[in-house]
This record gives sequence, structure tokens and C-alpha cells, in this order.
Amino acid sequence: NAGVTQTPKFRVLKTGQSMTLLCAQDMNHEYMYWYRQDPGMGLRLIHYSVGEGTTAKGEVPDGYNVSRLKKQNFLLGLESAAPSQTSVYFCASSRDLSYEQYFGPGTRLTVT
Amino acid sequence: ELKVEQNPLFLSMQEGKNYTIYCNYSTTSDRLYWYRQDPGKSLESLFVLLSNGAVKQEGRLMASLDTKARLSTLHITAAVHDLSATYFCAVDMRGNTGKLIFGQGTTLQVKP
Repeated sequence: NAGVTQTPKFRVLKTGQSMTLLCAQDMNHEYMYWYRQDPGMGLRLIHYSVGEGTTAKGEVPDGYNVSRLKKQNFLLGLESAAPSQTSVYFCASSRDLSYEQYFGPGTRLTVT
Repeated sequence: ELKVEQNPLFLSMQEGKNYTIYCNYSTTSDRLYWYRQDPGKSLESLFVLLSNGAVKQEGRLMASLDTKARLSTLHITAAVHDLSATYFCAVDMRGNTGKLIFGQGTTLQVKP
């Protein structure tokens, strides 16, 4: 049981480049989330999904898009990366709204 | 807008001492979560508090929730070095939505 996995672990992009971060969970969870963590701050919710085929905006959605084509996968896309998107990105999943969220190991993204 | 504030943000304490971390939030919610993060690592769920007066304990950590005061506490008893980490509280944005707002985190350093 791998839990929540994220690909890649590290990435460096140039301004204007695009990329997709992949999150996968093997716990059959309905709910999945993407957060970003910046130094000295807590996590901020970017987008989330309450089930396969659904997505919704969180606190800081601008500059990001997401897709949930399969229940176990949640993709986060950056169409045109900006230095302000340099951050550590965490994916999480939960069985139900009342249960804790399980977090992946994170992706450290640097945009130069 | 829901705001979550933790204090202190940094805590240096001696082994064997007791201390409390406070988590205040600005709007009504009855779902609060505590997470631990080790440097460079992901977040690990510690406690899920789902109702007013909820109290949970695990080892040297005890968490409580007072929804009327909009306050949660994380109490550390007889601290040991292994408890050194950053602790986050997170509040469900509008109650049972899964959209969590995180506090800034409290970095705990336990010295021998």
C-alpha cells in the first residue's frame, strides 16, 4: 500500500514553460486536494476534487488547472510557469470529509 | 474570510517540560485537524477533532477543541527530543467541506 505518491519529486522550470504534476493514491479515496507550501506559511489549497470527473477551486487557484479523469489520479497543471509559483506542492486524499487527509511526499518546484 | 492563527510560531523548550500550542480561528467551524511536519518531509495526521469539547490524546500530545471560543490547544507533556517538528492546525473552511485553512505552523525545538 503506497498511500499517496507524487511525480516528480523535484523540477526546475523556466518562466513560461508548462508542466504537469501527477498525484496517485491507492486507498480508493473519493476526495483529493492540491496544496502549495511557501516558507514560513501553512499550506494553501489550490484546487480539490470530490470525486472522479469533478474539480473545484480552492484558496489560490489562479495560474493552475487540474483534472481528475480517474479516481486514483489527480493532475495539477501549470500552463505558463511564473517565479511566484516556486513552492513545494503537496497532494492529499481523504476517504470522507470528516476524515483526515493523507499527504504525499511533495514536489519541490523552482521557476527561474 | 476564515483565518487561522497559531501561537507561538516558534517554541524552544527543555526536555521534560510541559507546554501548550494555541490555534485560534475566526469563523464558526466544528472540524479541526492537527498535523506534524518534520523538516523536508510531508505532513502526518495527529488528531481529528470533530465536535465541541473533543479531547484526544496520543502519547505525550493531547489536543482539545472549544468551538464556542474558536480555540484548539495542543498540549505537550514532558517533552522529548523526538517531538521536535513543526505542528500545524487546520480548520474546515465552512464546516464539512474538506477545504482546510492551515495555520502558519509552530516550530517546536526540544533541547536535551
